[in-house]
Amino acid sequence: GAVVSQHPSRVICKSGTSVKIECRSLDFQATTMFWYRQFPKKSLMLMATSNEGSKATYEQGVEKDKFLINHASLTLSTLTVTSAHPEDSSFYICSARDGTSYNEQFFGPGTRLTVL
Amino acid sequence: SQQGEEDPQALSIQEGENATMNCSYKTSINNLQWYRQNSGRGLVHLILIRSNEREKHSGRLRVTLDTSKKSSSLLITASRAADTASYFCATRKAAGNKLTFGGGTRVLVKP
Repeated sequence: GAVVSQHPSRVICKSGTSVKIECRSLDFQATTMFWYRQFPKKSLMLMATSNEGSKATYEQGVEKDKFLINHASLTLSTLTVTSAHPEDSSFYICSARDGTSYNEQFFGPGTRLTVL
Repeated sequence: SQQGEEDPQALSIQEGENATMNCSYKTSINNLQWYRQNSGRGLVHLILIRSNEREKHSGRLRVTLDTSKKSSSLLITASRAADTASYFCATRKAAGNKLTFGGGTRVLVKP
């Protein structure tokens, strides 16, 4: 299957700082990327969907000014957690889909964010 | 809200035994997919079953889909310690639509 990478894999930051997480599709062009959040021992909650070159579509209850998503190219999407607080600590997973398949979605390895 | 509900939430079995987990959903779907997640890792796609299919196999995995009951099951035969992971079902209402995940089943395979 296609490969999706995320960077960093782990990040610890202080309250009030902003953190950027990168998601890259390594061997295909990702026309659509998805950002999920996962709490310990819980399921994945979709935060937003982004199409290359367009504004992201956020799920209900997700603050767009808090979680900034940029999908500037067909291989890169970024999620910036602005003014992070301890309650933002979570596991963030990105996923990517190419334009030829509407069913296959490839997941990154996730980023563990800890806000002190 | 999550489309899929999975049961059991946790399952503990001995190596060599079969593991069965179920997923129920509420609305009509285009396809249903099963994923595995090892602790602290991303998701690995296991199998996709379309709404017009009833059963699918992949190695030691067997997936069934009953659209009349809006439910699916994942069977792992002859389990191994390496199968220890969380398993999630995810549904897609239409091709190109977003995936909605169930709560997951945590499987522990004891050697």
